[in-house]
Amino acid sequence: AQSVAQPEDQVNVAEGNPLTVKCTYSVSGNPYLFWYVQYPNRGLQFLLKYITGDNLVKGSYGFEAEFNKSQTSFHLKKPSALVSDSALYFCAVRDREDDYKLSFGAGTTVTVRA
Amino acid sequence: ETGVTQTPRHLVMGMTNKKSLKCEQHLGHNAMYWYKQSAKKPLELMFVYNFKEQTENNSVPSRFSPECPNSSHLFLHLHTLQPEDSALYLCASSQHGDFGTDTQYFGPGTRLTVL
Repeated sequence: AQSVAQPEDQVNVAEGNPLTVKCTYSVSGNPYLFWYVQYPNRGLQFLLKYITGDNLVKGSYGFEAEFNKSQTSFHLKKPSALVSDSALYFCAVRDREDDYKLSFGAGTTVTVRA
Repeated sequence: ETGVTQTPRHLVMGMTNKKSLKCEQHLGHNAMYWYKQSAKKPLELMFVYNFKEQTENNSVPSRFSPECPNSSHLFLHLHTLQPEDSALYLCASSQHGDFGTDTQYFGPGTRLTVL
């Protein structure tokens, strides 16, 4: 079975400060990892994914995430947050042994204050 | 944003009503999905269709009935729902249903309220 944990329900940062949204996962094999963002009254938008190769993945809107196999983590980061980054962020994992199912975390609400 | 569309965006229905949610994808994908999103909970996968064939029914009650007439359209037929079925229903699509590397692209969702 696969699962994802987002340990923080809420993250608050000031504009211009670094933003980190944490994600840890559990799979029986090797993972495919994804980050999505959801703005109010909108669907989920894809940010980035890790499949293989370089552990540092760069995505949309200046976001990046680092795959850490030993810590089973895939934290999302942005060096300088914007007020417009305020949204709900979801981490998701797919076990390479179970191709269909994409398991999501419960989400982390990010608030960036001006 | 316009790659996957869903209608209606909002729906209020009584427990005895029958209604349908519609999803259309304009991305040329072969797999489509229904998810249920409730507040503070992970997204729940409901159904998966790959090349119009249902490949996943994640223990969903029979009051939810999916239909996939072709690879571009997906419906969710609703009847005799319960108030706890109130949620945001999201449709998604991906190039394939069985490639782990594929990205799923989501529609804006239908906000369903069951009275």
